[in-house]
Amino acid sequence: QKEVEQNSGPLSVPEGAIASLNCTYSDRVSQSFFWYRQYSGKSPELIMSIYSNGDKEDGRFTAQLNKASQYVSLLIRDSQPSDSATYLCAPGGEYGNKLVFGAGTILRVKS
Amino acid sequence: GAVVSQHPSWVICKSGTSVKIECRSLDFQATTMFWYRQFPKQSLMLMATSNEGSKATYEQGVEKDKFLINHASLTLSTLTVTSAHPEDSSFYICSASFQGNEQFFGPGTRLTVL
Repeated sequence: QKEVEQNSGPLSVPEGAIASLNCTYSDRVSQSFFWYRQYSGKSPELIMSIYSNGDKEDGRFTAQLNKASQYVSLLIRDSQPSDSATYLCAPGGEYGNKLVFGAGTILRVKS
Repeated sequence: GAVVSQHPSWVICKSGTSVKIECRSLDFQATTMFWYRQFPKQSLMLMATSNEGSKATYEQGVEKDKFLINHASLTLSTLTVTSAHPEDSSFYICSASFQGNEQFFGPGTRLTVL
């Protein structure tokens, strides 16, 4: 079983719609969770961090965490073509501050 | 804030030579720095974790004698790819963190070994 599972996509949504990205993880010890955005040919960029169960909103982004279900999601409201990228889910690992990255979900926002 | 730089951004070298990549945290002191490698259309692969003043901890399968990591200060870590070969051609990315688990990534270095 993979440690972090994400649907590879591509997930295609029309401009202005809500994009929903999901992630499940196997490490029950994880207490911190991060979403990174990676444009093609570029390095990852941190867009959201969440530590407690529930929702956390930041602009058009909302992260949702359910530790009991070992599930974390990212909602992008009013999706824009500039949101087209690969989104990486990364739970904090058990050992120190090492992160375990999922393979990522490719998001394509069509104008 | 939380800016990480890498140098060089790209490098081309001949097989058998060594290449050094620098990673700097510009506006914070990084207690830990990480080195990743990413092949085309693949996910990030963690190579090693380094804490300032300590020896790096390498992931399974990563040759520590081939990928030398030095973390001499809280703002600088270097990765040296020794005796590089074409199969070492990849996108090398560093990240830095302080206190919590958030990692801030550098822009990456694209290495091509001829």
